[in-house]
Amino acid sequence: TQLLEQSPQFLSIQEGENLTVYCNSSSVFSSLQWYRQEPGEGPVLLVTVVTGGEVKKLKRLTFQFGDARKDSSLHITAAQPGDTGLYLCAGAETSGSRLTFGEGTQLTVNP
Amino acid sequence: EAGVVQSPRYKIIEKKQPVAFWCNPISGHNTLYWYLQNLGQGPELLIRYENEEAVDDSQLPKDRFSAERLKGVDSTLKIQPAELGDSAVYLCASSLTGNEQFFGPGTRLTVL
Repeated sequence: TQLLEQSPQFLSIQEGENLTVYCNSSSVFSSLQWYRQEPGEGPVLLVTVVTGGEVKKLKRLTFQFGDARKDSSLHITAAQPGDTGLYLCAGAETSGSRLTFGEGTQLTVNP
Repeated sequence: EAGVVQSPRYKIIEKKQPVAFWCNPISGHNTLYWYLQNLGQGPELLIRYENEEAVDDSQLPKDRFSAERLKGVDSTLKIQPAELGDSAVYLCASSLTGNEQFFGPGTRLTVL
């Protein structure tokens, strides 16, 4: 069974600060996705990375897929209260196969 | 375009009672997933359907859980009998390509 470990588990920061969330595994993934989940809602896909070393930017969010396709990171610049939520990484062994989710990082951005 | 619809949003039952959850996926999405999410954790796949066929149900506790997607559209997940440890959020998701999943808001189940 593939296992995705996320760190930190909890993160509370002030508005304007930068942060990085990590997603690590001993397994190789065909693709890796990042989701954000708000209370009472289902996860919403932010990005999919498929190539080792790939970097994708979504406004203030920067996603990186490790060269060996075993790990990923999410960096948020100048965090805002609206960024508050549970950030989940999820990996797929092959294209279209079952997603394995990490346990998530609960981010709180205080005004 | 309407998203994935789930009902009920909340359900409180006593242990040993049956319970059912309903999911209507996004129109045209052939793949449907049921996940279980415990508090503070990521979703865990219970079952995946391709049209009306269950193609991955290895994580479904078949002694008490069952699911169906008779016409390849709506789906129902049932627990009978429910146990205290079944308290969780049950998420439904659908996908067109298998690479991007769209999640519903979930049903929060509390078993007393």
